[in-house]
Amino acid sequence: NAGVTQTPKFQVLKTGQSMTLQCAQDMNHNSMYWYRQDPGMGLRLIYYSASEGTTDKGEVPNGYNVSRLNKREFSLRLESAAPSQTSVYFCASSIYNSPLHFGNGTRLTVT
Amino acid sequence: GQQVMQIPQYQHVQEGEDFTTYCNSSTTLSNIQWYKQRPGGHPVFLIQLVKSGEVKKQKRLTFQFGEAKKNSSLHITATQTTDVGTYFCAGPTYDSASKIIFGSGTRLSIRP
Repeated sequence: NAGVTQTPKFQVLKTGQSMTLQCAQDMNHNSMYWYRQDPGMGLRLIYYSASEGTTDKGEVPNGYNVSRLNKREFSLRLESAAPSQTSVYFCASSIYNSPLHFGNGTRLTVT
Repeated sequence: GQQVMQIPQYQHVQEGEDFTTYCNSSTTLSNIQWYKQRPGGHPVFLIQLVKSGEVKKQKRLTFQFGEAKKNSSLHITATQTTDVGTYFCAGPTYDSASKIIFGSGTRLSIRP
């Protein structure tokens, strides 16, 4: 049982480049989330999708876009990467009002 | 906006000592969840509390949810080296049950 799968695991971008972080879950969960975690810091919510077909802003949405492609997949796009977006990105999923299941994270460095 | 705060930020204890982290929300929470993140890993769910005043135990870990449902605590008795990591509380915001925000976390390190 794979759970929540994130790709890629590592990525280095130059300022201004774009990229999409992929996330897929195989647990038939309704809700999916993107968080970022800066070194020594907590998790900050970027965007979430309460159910297929809906997306909403979290605490720090600026500079990001998301797509809930179907019930399984939730992608995060950086249109023009900035050094301030250097972070570890975690995708998570859950059934309504239940605990979050996290992927292993994507470590992104923007130079 | 709604905030979830945790104290202390860091705690360094001798193995065998107790450890407590406190979580405070600026608004009432419908439930609170606790997660543990090992160094280099991802957060892993520990427990969820729903009822006012609820207390749950998992071996050496005791979790409490405040009467007003705005605060919570995690207490570890007789810490072991396997307890090393960062402990986070998390809860839904008042405006969306699906919008889960996290506290800043408490990093626990242990002297063997």
